[in-house]
Amino acid sequence: DAGVTQSPTHLIKTRGQQVTLRCSPKSGHDTVSWYQQALGQGPQFIFQYYEEEERQRGNFPDRFSGHQFPNYSSELNVNALLLGDSALYLCASSLSAGRGYTGELFFGEGSRLTVL
Amino acid sequence: AQSVTQLDSQVPVFEEAPVELRCNYSSSVSVYLFWYVQYPNQGLQLLLKYLSGSTLVKGINGFEAEFNKSQTSFHLRKPSVHISDTAEYFCAVILANRDDKIIFGKGTRLHILP
Repeated sequence: DAGVTQSPTHLIKTRGQQVTLRCSPKSGHDTVSWYQQALGQGPQFIFQYYEEEERQRGNFPDRFSGHQFPNYSSELNVNALLLGDSALYLCASSLSAGRGYTGELFFGEGSRLTVL
Repeated sequence: AQSVTQLDSQVPVFEEAPVELRCNYSSSVSVYLFWYVQYPNQGLQLLLKYLSGSTLVKGINGFEAEFNKSQTSFHLRKPSVHISDTAEYFCAVILANRDDKIIFGKGTRLHILP
């Protein structure tokens, strides 16, 4: 049973560019959350997708957007990159409340974005 | 809104010694509590969780944590650490019985001394 997979694992961009990160959830999971983890910090919640819609959003600007596909996989898009966007981006999957959700998240290994 | 505070950013401890990593939370309603571990260059992995019931929760790798509602704490303990326990540990909280976002603490780096 494959866990959460993310791609790419590493990437380098320059300021002003756009980036797309991808995530496939653990088999059977229908909810995907994205977190930003800056160096030396805890993960910060970006947003959560369920049934192809953004259900919750953290304190991130509109430059951060996402999408969830019918197969539950998800993308995170960041436009107009800033130096401060350099971080590890973590995808986490879970079950929705109606399917036995207990708050536990299953994480991928992350996509490390460096903005120059 | 709920929040979580990890009181120590780094904890050095000798191998085979006991360790406690401290976590306090703030919430006006019932919560679920978690400890996650992050090994270098990896994602987060669940160590243990408290949902309800017994306040002493046992997790993987010999770790345990105790939920203390009166002190709003959820401290993580291990009686004897090993070099392989070197990692970053995150306490996390979520509102109980709701599809809500999980809030993480800033993390505690456990540094095992030989």
